[in-house]
Amino acid sequence: TQLLEQSPQFLSIQEGENLTVYCNSSSVFSSLQWYRQEPGEGPVLLVTVVTGGEVKKLKRLTFQFGDARKDSSLHITAAQPGDTGLYLCAGARRNTGFQKLVFGTGTRLLVSP
Amino acid sequence: DADVTQTPRNRITKTGKRIMLECSQTKGHDRMYWYRQDPGLGLQLIYYSFDVKDINKGEISDGYSVSRQAQAKFSLSLESAIPNQTALYFCATSDSGHQETQYFGPGTRLLVL
Repeated sequence: TQLLEQSPQFLSIQEGENLTVYCNSSSVFSSLQWYRQEPGEGPVLLVTVVTGGEVKKLKRLTFQFGDARKDSSLHITAAQPGDTGLYLCAGARRNTGFQKLVFGTGTRLLVSP
Repeated sequence: DADVTQTPRNRITKTGKRIMLECSQTKGHDRMYWYRQDPGLGLQLIYYSFDVKDINKGEISDGYSVSRQAQAKFSLSLESAIPNQTALYFCATSDSGHQETQYFGPGTRLLVL
């Protein structure tokens, strides 16, 4: 069962455009992580949001955790070709002594010059 | 040098063959993980290990086995490979701190014919 749905699955835009990627679930998570994965490499952590309603900014990227800690969004302002990649959200559930990650389905972004 | 390395990077094998994927880390982390990635499904947890003597099944462990030979080494075996095990396999490590950020290796692309 896929607990985290991302939308859109694919996004092809021109340099300079803005975009938003959504990560939705019916489950509550203790935190939400966003990763970017480039071809031939493993996912790399961009940010972790922990508190409901939390907003974090990483240069042109803005991450928000939903108030109920069930969903999240990633907004990119003035996208650049270097932003191209697969974006993955991952919800964290903390069991006894262990934080298990549930990964979303991924959003593949292509930014053309 | 990369903190998390995986060998081989690419592997083609035939149905019924036994193969082993290896992972090594220099981050000094106790926790190690094996995931598989399929298009449109995100990453799914196969096995995880808290230390050398603690190994646990993940969501999709059937058909796989693991060995934690040392703190720095965690290998994944497919006892009798089948075509639906064709996927991208990632090893990851984390510490046991509050955020438990996971660091991923570059992946092994496996094709089972």
